[in-house]
Amino acid sequence: SAVISQKPSRDICQRGTSLTIQCQVDSQVTMMFWYRQQPGQSLTLIATANQGSEATYESGFVIDKFPISRPNLTFSTLTVSNMSPEDSSIYLCSVRTVLNQPQHFGDGTRLSIL
Amino acid sequence: AQSVTQLGSHVSVSEGALVLLRCNYSSSVPPYLFWYVQYPNQGLQLLLKYTSAATLVKGINGFEAEFKKSETSFHLTKPSAHMSDAAEYFCAVSHSGNTPLVFGKGTRLSVIA
Repeated sequence: SAVISQKPSRDICQRGTSLTIQCQVDSQVTMMFWYRQQPGQSLTLIATANQGSEATYESGFVIDKFPISRPNLTFSTLTVSNMSPEDSSIYLCSVRTVLNQPQHFGDGTRLSIL
Repeated sequence: AQSVTQLGSHVSVSEGALVLLRCNYSSSVPPYLFWYVQYPNQGLQLLLKYTSAATLVKGINGFEAEFKKSETSFHLTKPSAHMSDAAEYFCAVSHSGNTPLVFGKGTRLSVIA
């Protein structure tokens, strides 16, 4: 399966600032996704990152708050903008290498907002 | 829309005992079903998947799951629990091979020595 590297692995940020999380895959993948896992909760899909076009956001998530880029088939970024304590979560990148195959996950970025 | 329900947010078993984690799905079409495990401070690791082949699916670390259409269930089992099995387990469903996974709320498994 693909090796997924997320950076940073964790960070502590001040409210009102923004942080960009990077997801790098060691091979080309068909699909990339971003999930949020709030403390003690399950995973919630933020958006599907589309190569060369705007991401597809799920209900409750907007581009102004969570801008996403995917310039090629191996890389994506998620920015958490104007952060507040409620944004403290684990953010996970997930990929599907080819259609009809399982999704694989990075180790996540643990974000705390003070 | 498809969804999964995991019964029991926390399951505790003795070492060597049977592990049974429950998952029921809701889908209008035959789903793709998955079990993932998350160890503390780590991402998710795929345990096993059901994609309309054999109804009994064997995964890693001695886990298996059986797809029962009549019960809309995909319960995860392991005959004998190890201390190392203590983790959070997530059931997930996908409508097709190109739609993102939807996760259940998760079940935390504790193994008592």
